[in-house]
Amino acid sequence: RKEVEQDPGPFNVPEGATVAFNCTYSNSASQSFFWYRQDCRKEPKLLMSVYSSGNEDGRFTAQLNRASQYISLLIRDSKLSDSATYLCVVNRGNQGGKLIFGQGTELSVKP
Amino acid sequence: NAGVTQTPKFRILKIGQSMTLQCTQDMNHNYMYWYRQDPGMGLKLIYYSVGAGITDKGEVPNGYNVSRSTTEDFPLRLELAAPSQTSVYFCASSYVGRSSGNTIYFGEGSWLTVV
Repeated sequence: RKEVEQDPGPFNVPEGATVAFNCTYSNSASQSFFWYRQDCRKEPKLLMSVYSSGNEDGRFTAQLNRASQYISLLIRDSKLSDSATYLCVVNRGNQGGKLIFGQGTELSVKP
Repeated sequence: NAGVTQTPKFRILKIGQSMTLQCTQDMNHNYMYWYRQDPGMGLKLIYYSVGAGITDKGEVPNGYNVSRSTTEDFPLRLELAAPSQTSVYFCASSYVGRSSGNTIYFGEGSWLTVV
């Protein structure tokens, strides 16, 4: 089983749609959780951190369920500019900054 | 505001050649990382460093070496390049501490082809 697994994608949605990405992690000792965005042939960039209480940033909402070892990202009112690959990132338990990336879920928003 | 700078951006190597990918960061981060990303795949950790003089293996260290003589620099050495090392390489850094969020910042990537 991979340490971090994401929905395989790709997701093809119309503008204005709501889309949700799921991610599971295997290490119950993991403490830090993030969603990164990666555009084609570019470096990943932080989209948002994920906190236990859940957090929202504009159209983006992240949720964490520690009991189920599950993270989600919800994008409301999708824009064309949201088209990218979304990476779930988890630190490896008590190994501080050692971050493990999921394989990514590709999103394509169509007009 | 440079952040993480890695060079070269593109390189073609012949099988058996060696090369070093350079990486430097100006954010005084303690942690530095090298990842590789194959087409359609996620990032795999090659090596990481928690501070100057300290390095450790990641998921896929074979065929690579690193050193961390200063806080700023974290070069990645490929010895005896093989076609399986054709990939995009990302250097990254973060500050890991008591109150840090451990946000990781990436360089723009180095596209390496071994032929």
